[in-house]
Amino acid sequence: EAQVTQNPRYLITVTGKKLTVTCSQNMNHEYMSWYRQDPGLGLRQIYYSMNVEVTDKGDVPEGYKVSRKEKRNFPLILESPSPNQTSLYFCASSPGAGVLNEQFFGPGTRLTVL
Amino acid sequence: GEDVEQSLFLSVREGDSSVINCTYTDSSSTYLYWYKQEPGAGLQLLTYIFSNMDMKQDQRLTVLLNKKDKHLSLRIADTQTGDSAIYFCAESGNTGGFKTIFGAGTRLFVKA
Repeated sequence: EAQVTQNPRYLITVTGKKLTVTCSQNMNHEYMSWYRQDPGLGLRQIYYSMNVEVTDKGDVPEGYKVSRKEKRNFPLILESPSPNQTSLYFCASSPGAGVLNEQFFGPGTRLTVL
Repeated sequence: GEDVEQSLFLSVREGDSSVINCTYTDSSSTYLYWYKQEPGAGLQLLTYIFSNMDMKQDQRLTVLLNKKDKHLSLRIADTQTGDSAIYFCAESGNTGGFKTIFGAGTRLFVKA
């Protein structure tokens, strides 16, 4: 089944404790992206990657890191989480290389930073 | 920068039509999208319209685009309780389509 998976689905952590949220897609998509969803603000792009070893900042990259060592994986790293990073996070992928950018979303990771 | 705006809530009775509205600022938008988010799930593409079209119909869904006013709407005919969800308007320009701007989402409540 074609899908985007994220782990963990739920995470409660404390300020300053490094964490990684994994994202994997099995559709051989070139483009991957991370978003955060906050009430009243919709989805805001954190980072995106157009291919292996190619990443770029989105609208809200502060406090986050990403890597794209393999095409299928795009982990999101919070080196020192803070309470304002409490949010619902979505990973998405798309075939890329085209103007119609239908994105396929993972199920989301709900992160709480105490 | 580019912005997409939509109202946050809409409540309709089952069987009525729902109309969700959206405005955007990027005049170079190439594709405009409607995504649906059901509770506890990620977003799924519902429909899209290319910027040189005025209207697109797909079964119960009708998308209207007024490019002059930068206004997009989604009409759901014969709304069912299963249509209750959050609907996101989004747009992407012609920069390879990699950058997609989403609105805040409209939560649709369908009353039985």
